[in-house]
Amino acid sequence: EVQLVESGGGLVKPGGSLRLSCVASGFSFSNAWMSWVRQGPGKGLEWVGRVIAKAHGGAIDYAAPVKGRFTISRDDSRDTVYLQMNSLKNEDTAVYYCGAGTGTSDFDHWGQGTLVTVSS
Amino acid sequence: DIVMTQSPDSLAVSLGERATINCKSSQSVLYTSDNKNNLAWYQQKPGQPPKLLIYWASTRESGVPDRFSGSGSGTDFTLTISSLQAEDVAVYYCQQAYSTPVTFGQGTRLEIK
Repeated sequence: EVQLVESGGGLVKPGGSLRLSCVASGFSFSNAWMSWVRQGPGKGLEWVGRVIAKAHGGAIDYAAPVKGRFTISRDDSRDTVYLQMNSLKNEDTAVYYCGAGTGTSDFDHWGQGTLVTVSS
Repeated sequence: DIVMTQSPDSLAVSLGERATINCKSSQSVLYTSDNKNNLAWYQQKPGQPPKLLIYWASTRESGVPDRFSGSGSGTDFTLTISSLQAEDVAVYYCQQAYSTPVTFGQGTRLEIK
């Protein structure tokens, strides 16, 4: 069974940092394209960024609102993808989902999400 | 950036009737090399993560009921639910990954009339 389990969310003050983790199981993680998507309160889905499989070059891309503040990395030995979030702003408040693309779409599988609240 | 625009924003359909959601991309998402459109549809129920329904614009994900179908090519796409069931109440999103940034439509809320 495919599972993606996010952790690391919580309450943080503006300007602070958090690191989210997403542990995968049930599929070949090293071949997967791993993404982060967020959903603000009552809002739609917003792509945060993606790291593609090392076998396909390992490129990392970010959405404009987070570029320079957020960093995505992957550890294939731990089947884990990370989202390091720095200089957090109120507007970064959202549920953060990790998604795995295993050949059909960028988001064949989704985690349950972890809530990040940025507030003073 | 490729902008994805869905219509309508919300839709109320009677049980057993057809529901149609449209998605338009600001640029083509068709790979001419293999004639595949990098367009997917997702369903999100309240309190749950999204779920993949359709990929490559018209291929149903394993386990998805066959009342769900996708069509279209280039810049215009449609998700059709042939006979609406109560469990289909959700928000539906289209998404392109033809180029980064990956972009989603704003979502269409589907309700029972």
